[in-house]
Amino acid sequence: DVKVTQSSRYLVKRTGEKVFLECVQDMDHENMFWYRQDPGLGLRLIYFSYDVKMKEKGDIPEGYSVSREKKERFSLILESASTNQTSMYLCASSLVLAGALETQYFGPGTRLLVL
Amino acid sequence: AQTVTQSQPEMSVQEAETVTLSCTYDTSESDYYLFWYKQPPSRQMILVIRQEAYKQQNATENRFSVNFQKAAKSFSLKISDSQLGDAAMYFCAYRSWPFGGSQGNLIFGKGTKLSVKP
Repeated sequence: DVKVTQSSRYLVKRTGEKVFLECVQDMDHENMFWYRQDPGLGLRLIYFSYDVKMKEKGDIPEGYSVSREKKERFSLILESASTNQTSMYLCASSLVLAGALETQYFGPGTRLLVL
Repeated sequence: AQTVTQSQPEMSVQEAETVTLSCTYDTSESDYYLFWYKQPPSRQMILVIRQEAYKQQNATENRFSVNFQKAAKSFSLKISDSQLGDAAMYFCAYRSWPFGGSQGNLIFGKGTKLSVKP
């Protein structure tokens, strides 16, 4: 089974702190994604990466950056956390199968509270 | 840009009964994929069922089936013989075809919270 893990289930940080959220997948997937989930808003894509050292902005990249130095690891960075970044953060990964339908596999999520 | 709408923020069903969750989407594309994902309380999101737009036959996975109406841009999820473990947030999602680069990203609806009454 595909396994996507995230470094923390719950995190409490202070405004202005630099925050690192880590995601690791064990199935050699090319694609990795970071989403933010808020009640009533569903999932919104922050950033995604389709290869090592490659990254592209999603729908809401402001205030975030990412790093993908190794294929299995995709980090989300909040350079200076703000209270409006309090949210649930979900990581996902998927294969690239030309001409086929690949599934995104999700991690358990990190619930971040910024005080 | 594509959009996905789930018009029912919350729904409730009696155990063993059938429930249908609605999803509509807006797109100008002719080829695409549609998904239903399930997120149980405090647990990971998992894929329930998926449908390729070019297939006329509705997808089925055990107790879960879809009613895909391409002309109406509707993709509803039917859960038969509901079980307590079906209680979760359900998200409908859309993805373009071909899926290179950003076209491969999922566009999610806002979700429907399903409660199952014993």
